[in-house]
Amino acid sequence: QQQVKQSPQSLIVQKGGISIINCAYENTAFDYFPWYQQFPGKGPALLIAIRPDVSEKKEGRFTISFNKSAKQFSLHIMDSQPGDSATYFCAASGLSYNTDKLIFGTGTRLQVFP
Amino acid sequence: DVKVTQSSRYLVKRTGEKVFLECVQDMDHENMFWYRQDPGLGLRLIYFSYDVKMKEKGDIPEGYSVSREKKERFSLILESASTNQTSMYLCASSSLDRGQREQYFGPGTRLTVT
Repeated sequence: QQQVKQSPQSLIVQKGGISIINCAYENTAFDYFPWYQQFPGKGPALLIAIRPDVSEKKEGRFTISFNKSAKQFSLHIMDSQPGDSATYFCAASGLSYNTDKLIFGTGTRLQVFP
Repeated sequence: DVKVTQSSRYLVKRTGEKVFLECVQDMDHENMFWYRQDPGLGLRLIYFSYDVKMKEKGDIPEGYSVSREKKERFSLILESASTNQTSMYLCASSSLDRGQREQYFGPGTRLTVT
């Protein structure tokens, strides 16, 4: 019940295209769903996050779509750029011990070609 | 800006050695985390700490221990390194002050056990 399933494992998109990464969770107690972006040689960094009381959140070219009934959420990258080439992790968490324990998906390696 | 630093970027150790990985954060965060990152497996939580001298097991604590004697420092210890502990190790910190949920990651330590 603690798993977060992420797909696809890798994604190749042409510059200007739309990149879509999907995640599914099981634990209905999760109340925070972030996406992290990781460039080679760097640690992951928060890209965008959503809480289950909204169905969509947009920040620039990045949008999270959230479907609470299906227990799924996805990241959409519009007008994908070569600089977006990175590994993306979805995650989910619920508070316990006054701490936010994140459960991460397995990651998606995105390559955007010019 | 939050800064999370890790003592080494690359480390090579022999089987059976005791290994210390150090992590320091400069934002007075109460929560600190150790993850390992392996291809196809995403980030898996080893241990976390929500206060000085407090620690909790994550999903894969076997073969590891941790120490948090000061708020800013969280150490991961491999008591007797084994080849299956060859991995990328990531430290993170966070604070729940003001409703924040973001975890800030260090650059990682790539550990090779031969």
